[in-house]
Amino acid sequence: GENVEQHPSTLSVQEGDSAVIKCTYSDSASNYFPWYKQELGKGPQLIIDIRSNVGEKKDQRIAVTLNKTAKHFSLHITETQPEDSAVYFCAARIIIQGAQKLVFGQGTRLTINP
Amino acid sequence: EAEVAQSPRYKITEKSQAVAFWCDPISGHATLYWYRQILGQGPELLVQFQDESVVDDSQLPKDRFSAERLKGVDSTLKIQPAELGDSAMYLCASSLAAGGSYEQYFGPGTRLTVT
Repeated sequence: GENVEQHPSTLSVQEGDSAVIKCTYSDSASNYFPWYKQELGKGPQLIIDIRSNVGEKKDQRIAVTLNKTAKHFSLHITETQPEDSAVYFCAARIIIQGAQKLVFGQGTRLTINP
Repeated sequence: EAEVAQSPRYKITEKSQAVAFWCDPISGHATLYWYRQILGQGPELLVQFQDESVVDDSQLPKDRFSAERLKGVDSTLKIQPAELGDSAMYLCASSLAAGGSYEQYFGPGTRLTVT
């Protein structure tokens, strides 16, 4: 079945520095890759997504890159701020018997040190 | 901004008891999902509805879990009887349409503790 691997599991960076989280997927038919941010006690919040017809997408301090050949995609956060501290999940969309399904990575706990 | 609503936010129950969770998706969203998230892991899909019909319940433990979305709007997930291993966060999400707009929006979740 579809598998999404996410690394690292924990990441600690100084405020103002950049953070990068990487994911790989196994199903070459996957064509949609969202990233979610989850704060303590809350549900995951969609922060950015990318479709397979583009290689990069940017939204202010957040960017996502996709390499379809290598089947990996990455989240880049620049100029990190304390409020960026959270758990981040990547996901890949697969279609099984006509139903779309998101398969999630295991998550990365990002800590921004002031 | 429209949000997915869930209740209760927290539930403590004893094993062998029944428990139910409720979800109200974003207005107009035809597709509704129930996920289970074990502490330290990513969400795992339990069941997906398109309007009132189940389109994927392959990961739903059907001997004890049931889900319904009778009028194609809000939904209820039930566990009977609850087991210790059911302790987790239960998340509801919705999207505009399964095959069109892909974005899934999550509710705040229900934290279940089984004692």
